[in-house]
Amino acid sequence: AQTVTQSQPEMSVQEAETVTLSCTYDTSESDYYLFWYKQPPSRQMILVIRQEAYKQQNATENRFSVNFQKAAKSFSLKISDSQLGDAAMYFCAYSVIQGAQKLVFGQGTRLTINP
Amino acid sequence: DSGVTQTPKHLITATGQRVTLRCSPRSGDLSVYWYQQSLDQGLQFLIQYYNGEERAKGNILERFSAQQFPDLHSELNLSSLELGDSALYFCASSPFSSGRAENIQYFGAGTRLSVL
Repeated sequence: AQTVTQSQPEMSVQEAETVTLSCTYDTSESDYYLFWYKQPPSRQMILVIRQEAYKQQNATENRFSVNFQKAAKSFSLKISDSQLGDAAMYFCAYSVIQGAQKLVFGQGTRLTINP
Repeated sequence: DSGVTQTPKHLITATGQRVTLRCSPRSGDLSVYWYQQSLDQGLQFLIQYYNGEERAKGNILERFSAQQFPDLHSELNLSSLELGDSALYFCASSPFSSGRAENIQYFGAGTRLSVL
């Protein structure tokens, strides 16, 4: 069974600084998707970034980028120039490509931004 | 706004009761997924429907059931409620069932269920 592990329950960063959130996963599949979702205090789940496992290039979305290490089964999220609005729970998630694309989530990392 | 609508936003009920949570997917999306977020279990996949048919099941209790109607909205029915069923229930939708690069799941705002 696929599992996703986020080993940092909480992280904090100064506004305008850079922070990296860690995620590891376990799967026997060779093709899959990895995601980072953000859950602010409003509880809405918002997709931040997505990586397709067969793509070697790391995904980027504005201030958000990932470091995808397929052999190590590692998928970290880097947030540059942190802003107060980035404060949220961040969930790493996995899904297969073929078959039912249910999301398997990690436990989450609570990110605090210090002004 | 994700385009996925969930009603009601909050639900307070008593143990032993039955409730129905409703989800309207984004326009054009054929797949609907239900997830439960609780303090002890985290975010867990419950069930997926695609174009009216059940496509995948996760850790969904026998007391829970779901369906997707011809207009593609979905309902999650929770019966014989227990204190431990208190959680945030999310619905997500995507265009397809699987296998497509654009098959991203977009989440509704959730229904917070409190069982007293």
